[in-house]
Amino acid sequence: GESVGLHLPTLSVQEGDNSIINCAYSNSASDYFIWYKQESGKGPQFIIDIRSNMDKRQGQRVTVLLNKTVKHLSLQIAATQPGDSAVYFCAETPNSGNTPLVFGKGTRLSVIA
Amino acid sequence: DAGVIQSPRHEVTEMGQEVTLRCKPISGHNSLFWYRQTMMRGLELLIYFNNNVPIDDSGMPEDRFSAKMPNASFSTLKIQPSEPRDSAVYFCASREHFQETQYFGPGTRLLVL
Repeated sequence: GESVGLHLPTLSVQEGDNSIINCAYSNSASDYFIWYKQESGKGPQFIIDIRSNMDKRQGQRVTVLLNKTVKHLSLQIAATQPGDSAVYFCAETPNSGNTPLVFGKGTRLSVIA
Repeated sequence: DAGVIQSPRHEVTEMGQEVTLRCKPISGHNSLFWYRQTMMRGLELLIYFNNNVPIDDSGMPEDRFSAKMPNASFSTLKIQPSEPRDSAVYFCASREHFQETQYFGPGTRLLVL
């Protein structure tokens, strides 16, 4: 029979365009947020992180925005490339430094060449 | 640094057999995490260790699953007896003590027939 699995949100973007991947979190006590990229057949890889005392943090071609008021996190990828195609996970944790990250379900990014 | 090392990368076994997955965390990291990833459930935390001591094993599905960390550089996840529903990708991750960022290994893809 047909298997039922997680229906990951999918974002399709034209190569060269900017991508925005969104994530909502529920724990108002969360103090640290992180984005991971998981390519097919590989483990999740760290992209960028941000603490709750910041609203924005930039890396190379990536920017993370944090809106604590509405508990929303976003990852912006500039000039999206085919190599950016992957599943992207957000994760959060309270600032205890000793508890595991809590992962979201993930968003699949497909880059159209 | 070699990163988190997992072995084997792929495992195919028959129902009822014992399966042992192995993980070597990044040197100097004090915390180690075992995750399972499936299409149905996404990324699930099974158990984690701080300083070789199991802290939370509430994610372990049932008594067939066990994990050990005999020293700071080695951990095992054992399934005995294995069942087809255990088929998944199992990830190990590590991090430095009191740091939030977790670093993942490449995973072990397990297929139980």
